[in-house]
Amino acid sequence: SQKIEQNSEALNIQEGKTATLTCNYTNYSPAYLQWYRQDPGRGPVFLLLIRENEKEKRKERLKVTFDTTLKQSLFHITASQPADSATYLCAPSGGGATNKLIFGTGTLLAVQP
Amino acid sequence: DGGITQSPKYLFRKEGQNVTLSCEQNLNHDAMYWYRQDPGQGLRLIYYSQIVNDFQKGDIAEGYSVSREKKESFPLTVTSAQKNPTAFYLCASGSYNSPLHFGNGTRLTVT
Repeated sequence: SQKIEQNSEALNIQEGKTATLTCNYTNYSPAYLQWYRQDPGRGPVFLLLIRENEKEKRKERLKVTFDTTLKQSLFHITASQPADSATYLCAPSGGGATNKLIFGTGTLLAVQP
Repeated sequence: DGGITQSPKYLFRKEGQNVTLSCEQNLNHDAMYWYRQDPGQGLRLIYYSQIVNDFQKGDIAEGYSVSREKKESFPLTVTSAQKNPTAFYLCASGSYNSPLHFGNGTRLTVT
């Protein structure tokens, strides 16, 4: 069955450093991969989408890579700030007849001032 | 102002009672989804609908029911058959191969 794995332990980093979050998937070949941010008690908010033919995507301080050979995506936040503290979810999907989106368990990022 | 609205934010019910969670969107999206989130866990798909009057089961549909009579609305009923109904429920909408827009959830507590 399809499986998505993200760092289960919280990631603690110092303000100003780069945070790197990992998303690994098995047993399917998504056409694209999405990253979302979720704050406590709120719904996830879309951040970035990267397609299978794109190696890297950037948006302001965010960067996403997508390696279809390794079946892995890396999500980077450069010059991290305490306001970046949240849970980050990845969702590999597409390539099929439906738009059903399956999410990873998420990684909690805590940026210390 | 376009968006997706879930109501109520908090809901309390006694065991054995059915309860319906509301989800409305004005984004003109064809597809709508219901997810469940438990503490420390990811989102699990309950039901989804790609078009009016049609819906499919997700990974954990047992004990839940939905309807899609209008494009804008996708209510979820948590029935008494759902063994562990206490959870955070999230509704989302989207178009094919595009990002999802989520509501801010309904926290259901069943005692």
